[in-house]
Amino acid sequence: AQSVTQLDSHVSVSEGTPVLLRCNYSSSYSPSLFWYVQHPNKGLQLLLKYTSAATLVKGINGFEAEFKKSETSFHLTKPSAHMSDAAEYFCVVSGPEYGNKLVFGAGTILRVKS
Amino acid sequence: KAGVTQTPRYLIKTRGQQVTLSCSPISGHRSVSWYQQTPGQGLQFLFEYFSETQRNKGNFPGRFSGRQFSNSRSEMNVSTLELGDSALYLCASSLGAELNYGYTFGSGTRLTVV
Repeated sequence: AQSVTQLDSHVSVSEGTPVLLRCNYSSSYSPSLFWYVQHPNKGLQLLLKYTSAATLVKGINGFEAEFKKSETSFHLTKPSAHMSDAAEYFCVVSGPEYGNKLVFGAGTILRVKS
Repeated sequence: KAGVTQTPRYLIKTRGQQVTLSCSPISGHRSVSWYQQTPGQGLQFLFEYFSETQRNKGNFPGRFSGRQFSNSRSEMNVSTLELGDSALYLCASSLGAELNYGYTFGSGTRLTVV
């Protein structure tokens, strides 16, 4: 069974419009959840993390995500897209049931149109 | 503060050869993890080291091995290379063993097997 599902493989938005990247996870416990971004030919950069504190998590570059246990979701949002946001985004789950290793979703490629 | 440094950045090897990749974590970080990224399989966990001990291992054949030195630098080795080993290999370091510290990734080593 898949541990983390990113519901869209590609998302396209216009510059200045909101961004929504969807992520659902499966976990029997309260997991640790992360969003990472990867620009072309670069490594992964941590955007934000949820580790059982506030359910609304604010990250870098204006991104935020809300942990919703009832919906097993951890969607990533940004009010206004910038051209520099174009990249691939990964939702990641971890916790004791995953051996405390990071389990990555398949990724969502975000395209930002001018 | 220097980030996670991976060397070399690019590598081309022939089937049957072996290869060693290096990762220098952020100063003070004691945990180092390795991931393989391919277009078909996405990001998959290889292994994690903490204070020179392998704490966790993914589902990869024994041709993949690693180690960590007393200064926290880590190496991974792949023996008897196969075409399918062509991938971006990413190293991540963390301050401690707990997930809420978060992981910082290097830019990766792109290995091409011909």
